[in-house]
Amino acid sequence: DAGVIQSPRHEVTEMGQEVTLRCKPISGHNSLFWYRQTMMRGLELLIYFNNNVPIDDSGMPEDRFSAKMPNASFSTLKIQPSEPRDSAVYFCASSFGGSWGGELFFGEGSRLTVL
Amino acid sequence: GNSVTQMEGPVTLSEEAFLTINCTYTATGYPSLFWYVQYPGEGLQLLLKATKADDKGSNKGFEATYRKETTSFHLEKGSVQVSDSAVYFCALSETDSWGKLQFGAGTQVVVTP
Repeated sequence: DAGVIQSPRHEVTEMGQEVTLRCKPISGHNSLFWYRQTMMRGLELLIYFNNNVPIDDSGMPEDRFSAKMPNASFSTLKIQPSEPRDSAVYFCASSFGGSWGGELFFGEGSRLTVL
Repeated sequence: GNSVTQMEGPVTLSEEAFLTINCTYTATGYPSLFWYVQYPGEGLQLLLKATKADDKGSNKGFEATYRKETTSFHLEKGSVQVSDSAVYFCALSETDSWGKLQFGAGTQVVVTP
């Protein structure tokens, strides 16, 4: 079975440009999470969805960040405009479960470098 | 709020040595506890979990016991291999949290031949 699929795997862009990261969760999973990983701050939860509805976006750093989940098989994380401090690895994860949740399955990550 | 504290790395040890990575947590309720592992260039993978006090999670020779009295979930392995070199993350999830995980900072483990 295919796991969580993220694209692009690597993105290098210049400050001020728009960045869109994409995620395809595992089929049948009903929760989707976006995490950011940096050396300084470790793993931070940015936002998560349940049944395509955003449940908690309190981790989104500022208005430059937005996330959507138009259907059960696709989500995007957008940064506009991007800044050098946004450089990080962004992970998408999905799970199946109710309010308890279930095991999180992570994608391989999108490494973003903003120059 | 909830938090997870784990020992800083890197932890460097020789093959066949005993590994312990300490993890303690703070939570308002009765969380589930997890260890995730991240191999170089990859995403995180669930290593083991425990959902209630005194539960022991185990997988691939790794073990961790949920200790409510000490709010700890230390990871252990009796004989490590070079292939165990990775970053290990302790994490917790509260009930009614839709699976949202609070991660520790991660501990890098380097196993040398």
